Amino acid sequence: AQSVTQLGSHVSVSEGALVLLRCNYSSSVPPYLFWYVQYPNQGLQLLLKYTSAATLVKGINGFEAEFKKSETSFHLTKPSAHMSDAAEYFCAVSDLFTGNQFYFGTGTSLTVIP
Amino acid sequence: NAGVTQTPKFQVLKTGQSMTLQCAQDMNHEYMSWYRQDPGMGLRLIHYSVGAGITDQGEVPNGYNVSRSTTEDFPLRLLSAAPSQTSVYFCASSYMGRTGGGRHFGSGTRLTVV
Repeated sequence: AQSVTQLGSHVSVSEGALVLLRCNYSSSVPPYLFWYVQYPNQGLQLLLKYTSAATLVKGINGFEAEFKKSETSFHLTKPSAHMSDAAEYFCAVSDLFTGNQFYFGTGTSLTVIP
Repeated sequence: NAGVTQTPKFQVLKTGQSMTLQCAQDMNHEYMSWYRQDPGMGLRLIHYSVGAGITDQGEVPNGYNVSRSTTEDFPLRLLSAAPSQTSVYFCASSYMGRTGGGRHFGSGTRLTVV
């Protein structure tokens, strides 16, 4: 069975500082990996996805994530935090063969301090 | 270009009442699903469907029913509402198969059961 672990339910960074949100996955087959962002009182929006092409994936709003098979990780980064980045972030993994089932992490709430 | 549409956005129910949360998508997605989101627990899958006439249970199906009579619609029914069903509900859809395209989410229904 697949699973996702997001380390740190709350992360605070200063405006302009590096954002690093951690995600580790467990999968017996090559996975698809996703990061979603949820702004207050809104649905989830896809930030970026890894689907076995380039290991460094660039997404919207300046975010990127690197797939590291040896570490079973897919951490999300952004070089310089902006106030508008404050949101909940979810990592998710799906099965390579069917893509039917998604497994979400419990989420990381990002606070940006001015 | 509506995407995934959920209605209502907010609902208050009394214990024991029944109601239906509506979900419609206009992207011709085969796969549709319902999640509930609770603080600290991420998203948990309630029910899903891989096509019209086909539904299956997810992680937390008790107290909910679904049906899929058309490709576009996937309503979620609460048979007898309980306070434990107070949550935010999200409908999501996607194509089937090895596309790794990610799920498309609606904006959510915030349900309170008193």
